[in-house]
Order: sequence, then C-alpha cells, then structure tokens
Amino acid sequence: AQTVTQSQPEMSVQEAETVTLSCTYDTSENNYYLFWYKQPPSRQMILVIRQEAYKQQNATENRFSVNFQKAAKSFSLKISDSQLGDTAMYFCAFMKPYFASGNTGKLIFGQGTTLQVKP
Amino acid sequence: NAGVMQNPRHLVRRRGQEARLRCSPMKGHSHVYWYRQLPEEGLKFMVYLQKENIIDESGMPKERFSAEFPKEGPSILRIQQVVRGDSAAYFCASSLPGTPYNEQFFGPGTRLTVL
Repeated sequence: AQTVTQSQPEMSVQEAETVTLSCTYDTSENNYYLFWYKQPPSRQMILVIRQEAYKQQNATENRFSVNFQKAAKSFSLKISDSQLGDTAMYFCAFMKPYFASGNTGKLIFGQGTTLQVKP
Repeated sequence: NAGVMQNPRHLVRRRGQEARLRCSPMKGHSHVYWYRQLPEEGLKFMVYLQKENIIDESGMPKERFSAEFPKEGPSILRIQQVVRGDSAAYFCASSLPGTPYNEQFFGPGTRLTVL
C-alpha cells in the first residue's frame, strides 16, 4: 500500500522569503502522480502543483516549484517570495494513474504541514 | 460555471441521529469521490462513485456509512446513528476522467459535529 509522510507539522517564514516543505512517499509503482494541495482557513482544497513520475523535469507554477527525487521517493515544495496569502495547511498527495488496470484515481494524502507567513 | 457544491456547510447532530451530506458535482462531471478529514489530519479516501454505481468503497467504515450517486440529483453520504468519532470535515471531489491524473475538483466541505 502507498503511504505519504509529511514530517513537518508546522513551519513559519517571513514574508518575501523562501520556504521548503518536505514530503516522502512509499510505493512500488513506477508510474504515478504527485500533488501539492493548499487548504487555507476557508478549508477549500486548492491544487497547487502536479508532478508526473515519468518526467524528470521538476514542475513549476509561478512562485511554486517542486524538487522531485524519484529514487529517494521525495517530493518537496518550494515557495519563493512568500506572501501572507500563502498561509495555509499544505498537503502532499499520491495517485496511481487512473487508466491503469484496477486504479480508481483516489488520492492518498499526507498529514499536512501548517505554514504561517509572518509580515 | 459553478464549482462543486456541498451542503450543508455545517451540520450538528446528537449521538444516535442520522447525518446526510450532499454533493453536487461540477457540470458534466459523472464521477464523485468522498474524503474525510479528522481534526489535525489529512484527508482520507472513503468512496468513489459513478452515476448509479459504487466503484470503490475500500475506505468506507463497514457499518453505519453508505453512499449513493443516483442518475438524477446529488451524491449523498449517509451516516446512521452518528457517534462522536464521526465529527470531521467531509469533502467531495468530482472529476471527468480524460487524463491519467484524473484531476479532481473539491467542494468546500461539510463540517459535521456530533454532540
């Protein structure tokens, strides 16, 4: 069974600085997808970034980028130029490819990291 | 283009009562996932449904919980004889599978409190 671990329950960063959130996972699959979701105080789950395991290039979305280390099963999220609106809980998630036999596309989430951006 | 709708947003029940949570997927989406978030934890998969079919219920507790997604109307997650441990946020997500990563769009959640 797949597991996702986020070992940092809480983190804080000063506005405009850079912060990195860690995530490790365990799987025997070779092809899969990894995600970072943001959950602000409103509790709405928002997709931040997606990484496909068969792509070596790290995904980037504006100020958000990942460091994907497939052999180490590590998937960290870097937030550059942190903004007050980045304050939220961040979840790392794993998914097996939907079209593969027997896969239902369910997401497996880590425990989350609460990020506080300080002015 | 409305997103995923969930209602009610907040639900308070006494122990032993029934809770019904509703999820209306995005327009055109025929697949629904339900997840539960216990306090201070991540979301845990419960059930995956397509119209009129339960595809994967491997995350559903064996008793008191049921889900449906009828041909017409919203998906319903039903919890019978609620207990304090059922207090959690329940999220649904809808998708229109067309890609291997099966992008899921989440609703705002229903916060269930059991007194």
